[in-house]
Amino acid sequence: EAQVTQNPRYLITVTGKKLTVTCSQNMNHEYMSWYRQDPGLGLRQIYYSMNVEVTDKGDVPEGYKVSRKEKRNFPLILESPSPNQTSLYFCASSTTTEDTQYFGPGTRLTVL
Amino acid sequence: GENVEQHPSTLSVQEGDSAVIKCTYSDSASNYFPWYKQELGKRPQLIIDIRSNVGEKKDQRIAVTLNKTAKHFSLHITETQPEDSAVYFCAASLGTGGFKTIFGAGTRLFVKA
Repeated sequence: EAQVTQNPRYLITVTGKKLTVTCSQNMNHEYMSWYRQDPGLGLRQIYYSMNVEVTDKGDVPEGYKVSRKEKRNFPLILESPSPNQTSLYFCASSTTTEDTQYFGPGTRLTVL
Repeated sequence: GENVEQHPSTLSVQEGDSAVIKCTYSDSASNYFPWYKQELGKRPQLIIDIRSNVGEKKDQRIAVTLNKTAKHFSLHITETQPEDSAVYFCAASLGTGGFKTIFGAGTRLFVKA
């Protein structure tokens, strides 16, 4: 089954404790993105990757890192999480021949 | 920075009526405009999209119109049903695959039976 998976789905952590949210897709998609969703703000793009080892900042990259060492994986890294990074995070992927983005199930992160 | 404004933030209609959601974008280089539906606790799902070289697109009860000169695009849902109740997001993108995608803040649609 074609899908985008994220782990963990829920995470409660404390300020300053490094964490990684994984994203994996099995559709051989070139493009992958990370978004955060906050009430009243819609989805905001954090980082974007066009292919392996090619990443670019979105609108809200501060406090986040990404890597794209393999085509299927695009982890989101929070080196020193802060409470303002409490949010719902979505990973998405798409291919060069199709505009549609396929979203993962989301990760709800709470930073205390 | 670039942005997408979406109105209204909340829309309540009677079952069978039409619903219209409007968006305005600022980056004239945007060339792809998708609309997503998000049900409570679920991920966004694409419901219709339009490219900048097309003025209108229709899929059953859903249609999207684009006015590139005015940088406006709209979602039209006809014959609304209770299952249409959800949050709808418009977005504007610079290219294929989600490149530099900016979303509107969302419209919560209530369809009353």
